[in-house]
Amino acid sequence: DGGITQSPKYLFRKEGQNVTLSCEQNLNHDAMYWYRQDPGQGLRLIYYSQIVNDFQKGDIAEGYSVSREKKESFPLTVTSAQKNPTAFYLCASTPRWGAGAMEQYFGPGTRLTVT
Amino acid sequence: AQSVTQLGSHVSVSEGALVLLRCNYSSSVPPYLFWYVQYPNQGLQLLLKYTSAATLVKGINGFEAEFKKSETSFHLTKPSAHMSDAAEYFCAVTPKPGGKLQFGAGTQVVVTP
Repeated sequence: DGGITQSPKYLFRKEGQNVTLSCEQNLNHDAMYWYRQDPGQGLRLIYYSQIVNDFQKGDIAEGYSVSREKKESFPLTVTSAQKNPTAFYLCASTPRWGAGAMEQYFGPGTRLTVT
Repeated sequence: AQSVTQLGSHVSVSEGALVLLRCNYSSSVPPYLFWYVQYPNQGLQLLLKYTSAATLVKGINGFEAEFKKSETSFHLTKPSAHMSDAAEYFCAVTPKPGGKLQFGAGTQVVVTP
């Protein structure tokens, strides 16, 4: 079955540690996205990638980094510079960038807790 | 620039009653509009989308939404609520020709017996 996988489902880290969240898709989509979700704030865009080997900052990129070395993979690193990293993180993809009527397909999310 | 406002962070409806979730948008260009649903600890699933083909859009699970340009609104409705409709609902907008989605803050729907 085609889709987006995110692992792990739950992740716990100590403050000051970097952590990498996995996002893999087998939909052959060009564009991929990372969102952060906090209660009452909807989804906020962290980074997006229009195509392999390219990525752009979203609205809240500070304290995060990404890479897009393969079309199917878009890992997100939450660095120690992120002030409030505890959140639910969602990865999404679309067949191509700029195709506005196309829906974004979402993964199941990773809940990160930093103490 | 575009933005989305969802009126009401929590809505409680009785089973069998009308579900009405409000969404207003602002966009400098004609937009594409979407409604997504999220069940607890899961990703988002598309309910329906407006792409300018028709102002009344039908989606999955009996939901529909009407695009009203004069009111800059895209409200979501379902005639009769089911217990399985309990979830969080997000309205989202992207300007044509597309790209980044702007999401509303979400509306949590509770369905009571």
